[in-house]
Amino acid sequence: AQSVTQLDSHVSVSEGTPVLLRCNYSSSYSPSLFWYVQHPNKGLQLLLKYTSAATLVKGINGFEAEFKKSETSFHLTKPSAHMSDAAEYFCVVSGNTGFQKLVFGTGTRLLVSP
Amino acid sequence: DAGITQSPRHKVTETGTPVTLRCHQTENHRYMYWYRQDPGHGLRLIHYSYGVKDTDKGEVSDGYSVSRSKTEDFLLTLESATSSQTSVYFCAISVLAPTYNEQFFGPGTRLTVL
Repeated sequence: AQSVTQLDSHVSVSEGTPVLLRCNYSSSYSPSLFWYVQHPNKGLQLLLKYTSAATLVKGINGFEAEFKKSETSFHLTKPSAHMSDAAEYFCVVSGNTGFQKLVFGTGTRLLVSP
Repeated sequence: DAGITQSPRHKVTETGTPVTLRCHQTENHRYMYWYRQDPGHGLRLIHYSYGVKDTDKGEVSDGYSVSRSKTEDFLLTLESATSSQTSVYFCAISVLAPTYNEQFFGPGTRLTVL
């Protein structure tokens, strides 16, 4: 069985400061991990993915995430927040062989103030 | 853009009426999914399809049925809508690589059941 826990339902930052969105996962086998972003009243867009290659993954819009097996974590970071980063972010876990369903976290809403 | 459209985009209906939501894709992907999104729950899988006439249940399938008579169309039906089915519904397709299952999402359908 697989599950993912997003440790914060809301995160507030000021523009220009670092962003950290935390995600812990549970998986009985080697996982694939994803971060998706959803802007208000929009669909979901893939930010980045980990698929058992490099543990530090770079995504779009300056985001990156590091897979830490010992800590079962896949936290999302960005050095400097922009107002356009305000959105909801979902951490997602899946298996890494062939067809696997995705299991979504409950989401973290990122608020960015001027 | 994975060429996914959903119709209608918004619908208001009354309890007890049947409702069908349509997902259409233009790129011949084999796997298609229906999710619902509710506050505090992230996205939860309703049903998925792995080919024409091949479908299976997800974690929240009660009260929903699906059909896939053509590769490009995946229909979600609420046989008798209830207020608990008020939600935002997302369709997705997946692109399978050897080691992961990456999904792309449609724009969503907002359904209100009065």
